[in-house]
Amino acid sequence: NAGVTQTPKFQVLKTGQSMTLQCAQDMNHEYMSWYRQDPGMGLRLIHYSVGAGITDQGEVPNGYNVSRSTTEDFPLRLLSAAPSQTSVYFCASSRRGLAGSTYEQYFGPGTRLTVT
Amino acid sequence: GENVEQHPSTLSVQEGDSAVIKCTYSDSASNYFPWYKQELGKRPQLIIDIRSNVGEKKDQRIAVTLNKTAKHFSLHITETQPEDSAVYFCAASLSNYQLIWGAGTKLIIKP
Repeated sequence: NAGVTQTPKFQVLKTGQSMTLQCAQDMNHEYMSWYRQDPGMGLRLIHYSVGAGITDQGEVPNGYNVSRSTTEDFPLRLLSAAPSQTSVYFCASSRRGLAGSTYEQYFGPGTRLTVT
Repeated sequence: GENVEQHPSTLSVQEGDSAVIKCTYSDSASNYFPWYKQELGKRPQLIIDIRSNVGEKKDQRIAVTLNKTAKHFSLHITETQPEDSAVYFCAASLSNYQLIWGAGTKLIIKP
């Protein structure tokens, strides 16, 4: 199993450009999420999905879009990059338990994004 | 909104001593509490977790305790080693399978 994979590892964008960060998992997990981690900070939830075709906003969704057309993939789109979006982006996945039970989240290796 | 407070933000201990990190959560419905370790430039990885029907859980040198009444839980690392140096995050479950995260504790092990 590859687990959770993310591409690219590094990316530099100019202000106003758009791009898509890719995330895939091969563990058949229903739950997937995107976090951003700013230097010396914790993890802030951007968007999440509890299954194919279902997405919802997290704590900091502005400037980002997501879609979930398959169980395996959960891409994150930056619509018009801004310097404030310079961060490390982590994708994570977990299985869903019965009656809303939460389980271990597995993280991808991260994408380091710089917006100039 | 719901939150998790984590203390201290930095903890420096002598190699071989114990380290304790504490978290307090606000959502009384939280029932899953994981601890993650993040080494510099790496992804967060689970080191131990506990559910609300258990008061304590141990795995070798690592233990977690949970006090549901007070809404706080703690990570205990005994006989600390240089490889324990990292940032540690606590989290608490919310509805819809989400986790809310503490701000992290940088643990420094002094030789």
